[in-house]
Formats: sequence, C-alpha cells, structure tokens
Amino acid sequence: EAQVTQNPRYLITVTGKKLTVTCSQNMNHEYMSWYRQDPGLGLRQIYYSMNVEVTDKGDVPEGYKVSRKEKRNFPLILESPSPNQTSLYFCASRTSPMETQYFGPGTRLLVL
Amino acid sequence: QKEVEQNSGPLSVPEGAIASLNCTYSDRVSQSFFWYRQYSGKSPELIMSIYSNGDKEDGRFTAQLNKASQYVSLLIRDSQPSDSATYLCAVRSRDYKLSFGAGTTVTVRA
Repeated sequence: EAQVTQNPRYLITVTGKKLTVTCSQNMNHEYMSWYRQDPGLGLRQIYYSMNVEVTDKGDVPEGYKVSRKEKRNFPLILESPSPNQTSLYFCASRTSPMETQYFGPGTRLLVL
Repeated sequence: QKEVEQNSGPLSVPEGAIASLNCTYSDRVSQSFFWYRQYSGKSPELIMSIYSNGDKEDGRFTAQLNKASQYVSLLIRDSQPSDSATYLCAVRSRDYKLSFGAGTTVTVRA
C-alpha cells in the first residue's frame, strides 16, 4: 500500500529537549515536505526537499532542521523545542512539483 | 495579503443542499488549484484539482476557476453528513510552491 508514515503520532515534551519526528514514504517520491497546521493559519510549509541531500526552507523554518540522506526518509528535527512549536505536523510527498501531494497521518506535538 | 484566502466559515447547510466554498489567491501566474478535504484529526486528502478556466465536475463536487478574477470555488451538491469537514484550498505558484488557505469548516445538518 502506497503511504506516508510518521512517528510518533503524539508527543508531549518539555522546552529545550531535542526531538525528531520521522517521516517515511514507500512511493519512491523525490519531493517531500513538512508542514505545520495551526488554527486559523492553515498549513504552512516548514522545509521541503527535492531529492537526496537537497533541501530548502519553506515559510516557517525557524527552530527546525531537516535532513534527506535517503530518498524515502525525511526527518524533522527540533533541536530546542519551545511552546510556540506546539502544533500539528504533517509530512507530505509527491513525484514531482506538478503531481498530487500525499500526506502522512500527522504528528500532534505539545511542548510544555 | 495572504497568498490564499478562504471564507472563514463555519458553513452550515442542511442535508441535500448545495454547499458553496470560495477561495481567492494573490499570485496572478498561479497555474494549478486544488481542493483538499480534512476530517477532524486526520490528514488532508485531495478531492479536486483544476488547471484551466471553467468548471470541472467529479460526482457531487464541482470546482470552478476564474483566473482573471483570481478566484476558485468548490460546490458540493446534495450535501451529506459525511461531507462535514474542513475544506482547504491550495494553489501552486510559479516556483511550484503549494500554498494553502486556512480552510472552511462545513457542517451538514441532518
């Protein structure tokens, strides 16, 4: 089954404690993105990747890091989480910029 | 100005009625337009895409695009309780960036 998976699905952490949210896709997609979704603000892109070792900032990259060492994986790293990073996070992938984007199930993060 | 703006809602319609959702965008050269449906606590799923001016129908859904007015809409005919969700408008701009509106929440009353 074609899918995008994220782990963990739910996470409660404290300010400053580094965390990683994993994202994996089994569709051999080149393009992957991370979004955060907040009430009234919609989906905002954090980072995206066009291929292995190629990443770029989206609209709200501050406080986040990403890496793309393998085509299927695109982890999101919060080196020092803060309460304003409490949000719902989605990973997404697509074959090319012109194609449909597939979303993962989401990760709900609470930073205390 | 936001890149993509939608009616804030919520929109409440009786079962069987037509739900009409609107979206405007700021980048005049945008070429691709999408409607996603998102149930509470779930991820967005694509329900319609439209690339040229006019109407595109798929089952009970009709997307309408007017590039001159920078306007895209979604009509849901014969609304069902299962259509109750948040609908996200997304626009792909010249650099292939996909920008989303904040979404419109639709509630279909039985």
